[in-house]
Amino acid sequence: ETGVTQTPRHLVMGMTNKKSLKCEQHLGHNAMYWYKQSAKKPLELMFVYNFKEQTENNSVPSRFSPECPNSSHLFLHLHTLQPEDSALYLCASSQRLAGQETQYFGPGTRLLVL
Amino acid sequence: AQSVAQPEDQVNVAEGNPLTVKCTYSVSGNPYLFWYVQYPNRGLQFLLKYITGDNLVKGSYGFEAEFNKSQTSFHLKKPSALVSDSALYFCAVRDIKSGGYQKVTFGTGTKLQVIP
Repeated sequence: ETGVTQTPRHLVMGMTNKKSLKCEQHLGHNAMYWYKQSAKKPLELMFVYNFKEQTENNSVPSRFSPECPNSSHLFLHLHTLQPEDSALYLCASSQRLAGQETQYFGPGTRLLVL
Repeated sequence: AQSVAQPEDQVNVAEGNPLTVKCTYSVSGNPYLFWYVQYPNRGLQFLLKYITGDNLVKGSYGFEAEFNKSQTSFHLKKPSALVSDSALYFCAVRDIKSGGYQKVTFGTGTKLQVIP
């Protein structure tokens, strides 16, 4: 295991539901990331947090709302999603935001929007 | 803008044979380059990275990659493939710039199938 955990591992939700994805890292890292992984497409960076402060929002629709209460926890709040939002959502962390830092990924949450 | 290309969606290789997974990149300056592997139902796992120095980088599980600046390539290699190497492999690049945050750009992934 990489030291990054994600819950739930699988989630099915309707378009009117509200749900949250949780990520926790046990590595003492200061930067955390949300990525979206869809089949046949590159990994899409969604949000970046550094020391709990959001440093990047990669033009993500407002139906995705991140929250980072501390450097160890990261949430992704979901509401009124669309079927095309179905994907694997990956959380990652790194020691710092510096260029050579390796990112450590969680196992992901497989989301299906009906 | 930085980009990375993995020209092969899938690579098939017989067990025991050498394997190569190709990656080319484009950056405005000098790159940091990474390889990650993803097994089914798992997140990405770090394999190796090139920062500076020796062009041949050795990583986990017997993998290595060669940085070729003139060809802007960073191909992943292994001398003898194992069935357990079957997975999805991602190449990634980050442009070296001073100051600020520079995001990592990932390729679309190459599925490696090692045939017993």
